[in-house]
Amino acid sequence: DIQMTQSPSSLSASVGDRVTITCRASQSISSYLNWYQQKPGKAPKLLIYAASSLQSGVPSRFSGSGSGTDFTLTISSLQPEDFATYYCQQSYSTPTITFGQGTRLEIK
Amino acid sequence: QLQLQESGPGLVKPSETLSLTCTVSGGSISSSSYYWGWIRQPPGKGLEWIGSIYYSGSTYYNPSLKSRVTISVDTSKNQFSLKLSSVTAADTAVYYCARGRTYYYEVLRINYFDYWGQGTLVTVSS
Repeated sequence: DIQMTQSPSSLSASVGDRVTITCRASQSISSYLNWYQQKPGKAPKLLIYAASSLQSGVPSRFSGSGSGTDFTLTISSLQPEDFATYYCQQSYSTPTITFGQGTRLEIK
Repeated sequence: QLQLQESGPGLVKPSETLSLTCTVSGGSISSSSYYWGWIRQPPGKGLEWIGSIYYSGSTYYNPSLKSRVTISVDTSKNQFSLKLSSVTAADTAVYYCARGRTYYYEVLRINYFDYWGQGTLVTVSS
């Protein structure tokens, strides 16, 4: 099984900050990596697919990068609505997929 | 606008079978461009993929749940369903249905879930 490990598990930041979340795969997954945002009581929302492609309607302050085993999600300037939990998800082993454990982004 | 809505009992007794239905509106569940999946999230925890069903009718399940899971589709009702047997308290979770699609980039075929239902909490308790 491919394991996905996110870091940090949680972080505190302020509005306007630049934030980076990391996701590491237990083996190379090329660019088979997606990112989701989840707010409390809501379903996950797709932000980034194929490691760096921005889903339609997602603000351009979100970006993704990486390939192989190491990936990052960057928010260039945090907005109040960005405080949420973020999950990475690999689809290299499709149809079996796995999610990272999540990174909770809180207001400092 | 595509919408997905989960429905089913919110309380299931231990050892019984959990049954949920996802109704798709605003699009056809029969489209060969998409596949359909179930994902769950125990209270306060992360996301766990349960399984997916493809246009061909092929189903794929999380190995950890495979012996207890069945996913099926009813094209006449534009619905797909989840059955999870022999449930225990560990199966208490919010259950989400979602639409999957494939992004083709060079030689890559990258799958992701782009539309999700709002989720339904299922509690396993006597």
